[in-house]
Amino acid sequence: AQTVTQSQPEMSVQEAETVTLSCTYDTSESDYYLFWYKQPPSRQMILVIRQEAYKQQNATENRFSVNFQKAAKSFSLKISDSQLGDAAMYFCAYRTSSRGSQGNLIFGKGTKLSVKP
Amino acid sequence: GAGVSQTPSNKVTEKGKYVELRCDPISGHTALYWYRQSLGQGPEFLIYFQGTGAADDSGLPNDRFFAVRPEGSVSTLKIQRTERGDSAVYLCASSKDRIRSEVAFFGQGTRLTVV
Repeated sequence: AQTVTQSQPEMSVQEAETVTLSCTYDTSESDYYLFWYKQPPSRQMILVIRQEAYKQQNATENRFSVNFQKAAKSFSLKISDSQLGDAAMYFCAYRTSSRGSQGNLIFGKGTKLSVKP
Repeated sequence: GAGVSQTPSNKVTEKGKYVELRCDPISGHTALYWYRQSLGQGPEFLIYFQGTGAADDSGLPNDRFFAVRPEGSVSTLKIQRTERGDSAVYLCASSKDRIRSEVAFFGQGTRLTVV
């Protein structure tokens, strides 16, 4: 079974600085998808960025980028120029791409990010 | 609708009571998922619908939990004889299909408190 581990329960960053959130996962599959979701106090999970395992190039979305190390099964999220609105829980998630899969996500326990003004 | 809608936003119920949680997915999305998020944890998969049928209910914790999606759109998660351990945020997500590349969109969840 696949597992996702986020080893940092809490992180803090100064506004305008850069922060990196860690995520590792365990799988025997070669093709899968990885996601970072943001969950503000409103509770709604918002997709931040997505990475397809067969793509070597790291995904980027504006101030958000990932460092995907497939061999190490590592998928960290870098937030540049941090803003107060980035404060939230961040969840790393795995999704298999196997044909028989139902497509459900497997989540880590999350990292609470605080942004200091 | 524009997004996934879940009602009620919050629900407080007494131990032993029956509750229903509703999810209205994005129009046209055939895949629908229910997750449960306990305090301090990430969401955990409960059940998946493709159209009207429950294609995978392997995440339901026991037979007190049941979900339906009779017309392939709105889904209702039903919990019988609620227990304090059922207290959690119940999240619903939908996607166009279960095809691997499709992104799931989440609702704001229902916070269930069993007292």
